[in-house]
Amino acid sequence: KQEVTQIPAALSVPEGENLVLNCSFTDSAIYNLQWFRQDPGKGLTSLLLIQSSQREQTSGRLNASLDKSSGRSTLYIAASQPGDSATYLCAAVYGSSNTGKLIFGQGTTLQVKP
Amino acid sequence: DTEVTQTPKHLVMGMTNKKSLKCEQHMGHRAMYWYKQKAKKPPELMFVYSYEKLSINESVPSRFSPECPNSSLLNLHLHALQPEDSALYLCASSGHGAYGEQYFGPGTRLTVT
Repeated sequence: KQEVTQIPAALSVPEGENLVLNCSFTDSAIYNLQWFRQDPGKGLTSLLLIQSSQREQTSGRLNASLDKSSGRSTLYIAASQPGDSATYLCAAVYGSSNTGKLIFGQGTTLQVKP
Repeated sequence: DTEVTQTPKHLVMGMTNKKSLKCEQHMGHRAMYWYKQKAKKPPELMFVYSYEKLSINESVPSRFSPECPNSSLLNLHLHALQPEDSALYLCASSGHGAYGEQYFGPGTRLTVT
């Protein structure tokens, strides 16, 4: 069964700290690994997409890594800000060349305190 | 432009009503998706359309009926819903199937009374 797990479920840090969110998946036959941000009551905003052949992707203060063989991905957030407070979801992408099937983790709810 | 739009933003309906949710994208994506998200839970896939044909139905009850009139539009027709169907309904699209990044709309908050 394809499952995705995120640790921790919640995280509270002071502003300026660097932090790491963890994601693990049971089936390593992924196409991609995608990280999202979700604010309360809103839709999902795509942060980073890592292709299965890649090891990492960077966007601004965000860096995501992928170790397909061990079934793990991490999202590193540098110099956290209060505006980073949100729920972060990772999704392992399965499916086919025509359709992508996302299996989501339960999310990590991040609070960055001023 | 990576925008997926959804209407309405909020919908309240009775259990005997018929209503529809709409989703639109103009990125030329050929795969479109419906997800259901309950409070404090991750989204769960309901349907996938590829090239305007239904390719995945995740055993969704027949009171939910998807439709893809053309490559830019996706509808979800609702009939005889139950209160437990109240949730945030999210639409998404992707350009290259499982290889492409999925972009999500803002969702429709559905309340069934």
